[in-house]
Amino acid sequence: EIVLTQSPGTLSLSPGERATLSCRASQTLSSNSLAWYQQKSGQAPRLLIYGASGRATGIPDRFSGSGSGTDFTLTINRLEPEDFAVYYCQHYGSSPRTFGQGTKVDFK
Amino acid sequence: QLQLQESGPGLVRPSETLSLTCKISGGSIDSHYYWGWVRQSPGRGLEWIANIYYGGNTHYNPSLKSRVTISVESSENQISLHLTSVTAADTAVYYCVSAGWSLYNWFDPWGQGTLVTVSS
Repeated sequence: EIVLTQSPGTLSLSPGERATLSCRASQTLSSNSLAWYQQKSGQAPRLLIYGASGRATGIPDRFSGSGSGTDFTLTINRLEPEDFAVYYCQHYGSSPRTFGQGTKVDFK
Repeated sequence: QLQLQESGPGLVRPSETLSLTCKISGGSIDSHYYWGWVRQSPGRGLEWIANIYYGGNTHYNPSLKSRVTISVESSENQISLHLTSVTAADTAVYYCVSAGWSLYNWFDPWGQGTLVTVSS
């Protein structure tokens, strides 16, 4: 089973700042099979990024994903108030699919 | 626009079977090929449970495989989940997901989720 470790656990920032979230896999991910999701309180997760860097339909271009192998990054440029949420990475290239434990982006 | 809606009992007794249904609207069950279930609890975080191909092939998380059955009801445009011998550790929000057109794919969209509590 591939373990995904996200850091930091919490990121305290202000609107307009840049958020940099990390996801490290315990094994190399085939075909960069990594996705990022955003979850707001009381809501289901929403797909942001697939294939490590592909932006999902309707996702603003301030969200970008990068990385390969075992190290991946989600960057949110110019944080908007609606971006304060919990973010999860997930690998889907083998079974079992697993998720990271999440990074909470909250107001400084 | 594809939408998924979970339904089922909110309370299940320990040792009994948890049964959930996911109704698919805005698209046919054979238009996205793969469907699945994910659950979320404070103690275990997000956990993938199983995927199913609209034709019936199934893929289970090894940690749950002995207790889980996922199935497709094409005529109803829905999928179902059955989890046997539940314990308090199975208390979670259960999400239905669309898993796209290949065996290994991201999840999009998700249903709103349904909370299932295991308690006597």
